[in-house]
Amino acid sequence: GENVEQHPSTLSVQEGDSAVIKCTYSDSASNYFPWYKQELGKRPQLIIDIRSNVGEKKDQRIAVTLNKTAKHFSLHITETQPEDSAVYFCAASRGTGNQFYFGTGTSLTVIP
Amino acid sequence: DGGITQSPKYLFRKEGQNVTLSCEQNLNHDAMYWYRQDPGQGLRLIYYSQIVNDFQKGDIAEGYSVSREKKESFPLTVTSAQKNPTAFYLCASSIRGGGYTFGSGTRLTVV
Repeated sequence: GENVEQHPSTLSVQEGDSAVIKCTYSDSASNYFPWYKQELGKRPQLIIDIRSNVGEKKDQRIAVTLNKTAKHFSLHITETQPEDSAVYFCAASRGTGNQFYFGTGTSLTVIP
Repeated sequence: DGGITQSPKYLFRKEGQNVTLSCEQNLNHDAMYWYRQDPGQGLRLIYYSQIVNDFQKGDIAEGYSVSREKKESFPLTVTSAQKNPTAFYLCASSIRGGGYTFGSGTRLTVV
């Protein structure tokens, strides 16, 4: 099956700086890559996703890049704010069956 | 909010007892999932169902059982065979090819 690895497990940045979280996957048939944000005590929420026919996608301060050849994808958050502090999960899926394989999560802390 | 409801929010289980976690969605999603969340281990799939009356085991199905008699409902039973059930359990649903919508979770503790 699919194996998704996520790094780093913890990340601290100063407010206003950028944060980058990286994930690798093993299954070349995976074609859908969502990112979830989980604030303390709350449910994970989808923040951005990318499909395999696209190399990059942006939504305001958040962007995701995908390198299918290298089987890795990354989440980029620019101009970080304290409310960005949360645990972020990446996931990979083949799409059709829709079973997701999640990374182990990155705890992001933005220091005011 | 969110259209998918889990209950209860907190649940306590005695040794040797079976307990059932509820998950209901009104999003008309075909697929539903149960994940277990432990610190440092991410989200691990227990069971999933892509259609009514059908479900498949995930990576850690031992000690758990599910049913899918209605499209809206996907209850999870934690049986006495699950030796380490203390965890945060998340239910999710999705349309085919789309992202998940998660419930707010149930925190299960063995007492």
